[in-house]
Amino acid sequence: QKEVEQNSGPLSVPEGAIASLNCTYSDRGSQSFFWYRQYSGKSPELIMFIYSNGDKEDGRFTAQLNKASQYVSLLIRDSQPSDSATYLCAVTGNQFYFGTGTSLTVIP
Amino acid sequence: SQTIHQWPATLVQPVGSPLSLECTVEGTSNPNLYWYRQAAGRGLQLLFYSVGIGQISSEVPQNLSASRPQDRQFILSSKKLLLSDSGFYLCAWSETGLTTEAFFGQGTRLTVV
Repeated sequence: QKEVEQNSGPLSVPEGAIASLNCTYSDRGSQSFFWYRQYSGKSPELIMFIYSNGDKEDGRFTAQLNKASQYVSLLIRDSQPSDSATYLCAVTGNQFYFGTGTSLTVIP
Repeated sequence: SQTIHQWPATLVQPVGSPLSLECTVEGTSNPNLYWYRQAAGRGLQLLFYSVGIGQISSEVPQNLSASRPQDRQFILSSKKLLLSDSGFYLCAWSETGLTTEAFFGQGTRLTVV
C-alpha cells in the first residue's frame, strides 16, 4: 500500500486552543487529500478536502497542503470537547489510502 | 441522494466458519467501491477495491475475497475465518475519478472466536 503517515498521538489540547494534526505521504502522484473524523465505534466522516497547494479554511478548520514536501495538515481552532475523536488523513492516487489516524482529546 | 447500506452491524463467528458481508449503494451509477478493515486502535487498511462489475483488485493477500455481482453491490467473503480476521469492516464508495470524497457505510464489527 502507499504510505500515509500520521502521528498516532494521543494529542491533548485544552478547550479553546488550536489543535494541529499532521500527515505525510509517499506517493508524489497523489491527487487529492482528505481529512476524516472518526468517533469511537463509528465510521469516518469527511471534514475537509484539499487539492491545491496552500490553505483552505472552513469554519474552525483549516487544511494546509504542501505537495513539494508531501505534507498535509489540519488545524482546528477554538477546539471543543466534541472535537475529541480520531482524525484520519486520506490520500488518493489510484485509490483512497488512509493513515493510521491521530487521536485527539480536547480537555474541558 | 446517495446512500450506502452495509450489514450486519455486528457479527460473532467461530474460527473456521464462512463469512459474507454485503454492501449496497443507492443513488449513483458505476461507483468505485472499497472494503477496508480497521483493527482495534489502528488505521484503515484497504482490502479490496472495484471500479466496475466483476473488476476486483486486492491490496492485501489473505483468506478474504470480494465480488461485485452488480453495479452497486459489493460483497466481502471468506471460506474459513481466522482469529486475525477480527476487526471493524467498512465499505465505502466514491465517484469515479477519485477527486471526491469516499462515503462510508456504518461498518461491521466482526469478532472471530
